[in-house]
Amino acid sequence: SQQGEEDPQALSIQEGENATMNCSYKTSINNLQWYRQNSGRGLVHLILIRSNEREKHSGRLRVTLDTSKKSSSLLITASRAADTASYFCATDLSNDYKLSFGAGTTVTVRA
Amino acid sequence: DTEVTQTPKHLVMGMTNKKSLKCEQHMGHRAMYWYKQKAKKPPELMFVYSYEKLSINESVPSRFSPECPNSSLLNLHLHALQPEDSALYLCASTYTGSIGGVQFFGPGTRLTVL
Repeated sequence: SQQGEEDPQALSIQEGENATMNCSYKTSINNLQWYRQNSGRGLVHLILIRSNEREKHSGRLRVTLDTSKKSSSLLITASRAADTASYFCATDLSNDYKLSFGAGTTVTVRA
Repeated sequence: DTEVTQTPKHLVMGMTNKKSLKCEQHMGHRAMYWYKQKAKKPPELMFVYSYEKLSINESVPSRFSPECPNSSLLNLHLHALQPEDSALYLCASTYTGSIGGVQFFGPGTRLTVL
């Protein structure tokens, strides 16, 4: 079942600009993860933020988590053409190793 | 080795064929997953194996039959599929030491059912 809702559904930006996408979820979580998927390929894990964390950075990625609003955001700074991909948030719902993926945001970075 | 491999990369099959998808990892992960993904949609969980035992079956039709012969291998046997089963099939694995941990995905098998 899909718990996360992401917006926007699609985003087109110029190389060098920042890209921000949001994820909202419905139930309590242990952590929230973000994944990237290049066209027709497998998903690649980007970053995990635990429920007791508010912000996390990894390279050009910044993730925030607001558990009171049940929402998270992913910021990609100084975007590159190689950042063109679909981005999914994923939450763990229960103690059985399942992840629930959001609908995804498709990001296109124009050269 | 932090890789999940999947074979074949592409598969075309008729509705009466029997075929199998294979997934392999050597990271010592004891939870392995099959997902189905349609174009422009998120991955949809099909099966979870935990310590080589089927722990979750998301009400998948019996024409899909998973198998976990050992801790490194996961198979998905396909029989009498329908054209709507055409999709990208993804395998993933995770370390069972922590709940809700990072999943490592294979590149997928692109399946077309004619």
